[in-house]
Amino acid sequence: GAGVSQSPRYKVAKRGQDVALRCDPISGHVSLFWYQQALGQGPEFLTYFQNEAQLDKSGLPSDRFFAERPEGSVSTLKIQRTQQEDSAVYLCASSLDRVGEKLFFGSGTQLSVL
Amino acid sequence: DQQVKQNSPSLSVQEGRISILNCDYTNSMFDYFLWYKKYPAEGPTFLISISSIKDKNEDGRFTVFLNKSAKHLSLHIVPSQPGDSAVYFCAASVNYRDDKIIFGKGTRLHILP
Repeated sequence: GAGVSQSPRYKVAKRGQDVALRCDPISGHVSLFWYQQALGQGPEFLTYFQNEAQLDKSGLPSDRFFAERPEGSVSTLKIQRTQQEDSAVYLCASSLDRVGEKLFFGSGTQLSVL
Repeated sequence: DQQVKQNSPSLSVQEGRISILNCDYTNSMFDYFLWYKKYPAEGPTFLISISSIKDKNEDGRFTVFLNKSAKHLSLHIVPSQPGDSAVYFCAASVNYRDDKIIFGKGTRLHILP
């Protein structure tokens, strides 16, 4: 497709369960970002890749959060031992090259931890 | 500490009138500013941007004004249309340093018929 694709669209997890969220960026986009958006808040930065290199992971809230982009295209955000406070919409975005360029967002994965 | 602040959670404007959304920032290093629009159940979409070397950028019905001394920017929508009802996010980055984009909490705009 032409846009950023995220799957699953919705995910319900039991507390303590591991989850994996997938992002397919726009073809050819070098930069890929993960953001977390809690209810009523703006997107909060989690991590950033340039091709396969993870250049900034300063926003990951704990070591339970892990992201990878092994071939510089598809990315996976993994959350281990999910907690209720992890419930949020996880947004993936890509941009053509520089970080400051406009981002193209996917529709997000809504994670609910029960 | 929020670096990008949108102090109005919501705003209602009559159709055909001007909508003005405001944003303040605290980091004087920010040199690139963006506005995103978000409909329910969709990701944010880019609307308009402005570099710190400018004080105004216009694109159709949308104009962004930047006041660096006040660390303030605003988005003007003229005339407002029903399809403009959405959440608007102000965002900023330190572009020359290839730094991440920081978002505000958003303002929900309601266009009244």
